[in-house]
Amino acid sequence: SQELEQSPQSLIVQEGKNLTINCTSSKTLYGLYWYKQKYGEGLIFLMMLQKGGEEKSHEKITAKLDEKKQQSSLHITASQPSHAGIYLCGADKGNQFYFGTGTSLTVIP
Amino acid sequence: SQTIHQWPATLVQPVGSPLSLECTVEGTSNPNLYWYRQAAGRGLQLLFYSVGIGQISSEVPQNLSASRPQDRQFILSSKKLLLSDSGFYLCAYLLEGTGELFFGEGSRLTVL
Repeated sequence: SQELEQSPQSLIVQEGKNLTINCTSSKTLYGLYWYKQKYGEGLIFLMMLQKGGEEKSHEKITAKLDEKKQQSSLHITASQPSHAGIYLCGADKGNQFYFGTGTSLTVIP
Repeated sequence: SQTIHQWPATLVQPVGSPLSLECTVEGTSNPNLYWYRQAAGRGLQLLFYSVGIGQISSEVPQNLSASRPQDRQFILSSKKLLLSDSGFYLCAYLLEGTGELFFGEGSRLTVL
């Protein structure tokens, strides 16, 4: 199965601080997806990266995929309490869709 | 537009009892459907996926089974629940051509 490791497992930051979450795959990725989950709810799609070196931004969240397509990072600038939740990276392999181990983000006002 | 619904939202069941979680999708035909389990608020474990009616692929051996009796209906079942079956279960469908998964609201199962 596709293995996706995320780091850190959990993160506590002061509001206004920047942070980075990493996702590493044991295999070359065809597509890398970032999702956010509010506690106890379903996942919300954030971004999809497909090309090596690709970078996408949405509001204060930027995601990058490295040239080898095995590592991705999610960067949040000037974090806000609304950014709190669990961030998961995901990858597809044919009809299967796998997720990483998850990173729990707490933003302290 | 497409929508996805899961129920029940919350379930408390005794060990050894049966389980049935239902997921339905509207606004799309022949979607790829998925069941995930999330334990302790962490990453999602893919349990089953289906590419069509009656077609079920299982990712891990377990106490659960899945069925797809209709194109837009996906059911997760168990004949006898175990304590380890507790968790948050999520159903999802794949938006064709985008690689984006849309998730249901989730079903929280507690086995006592």
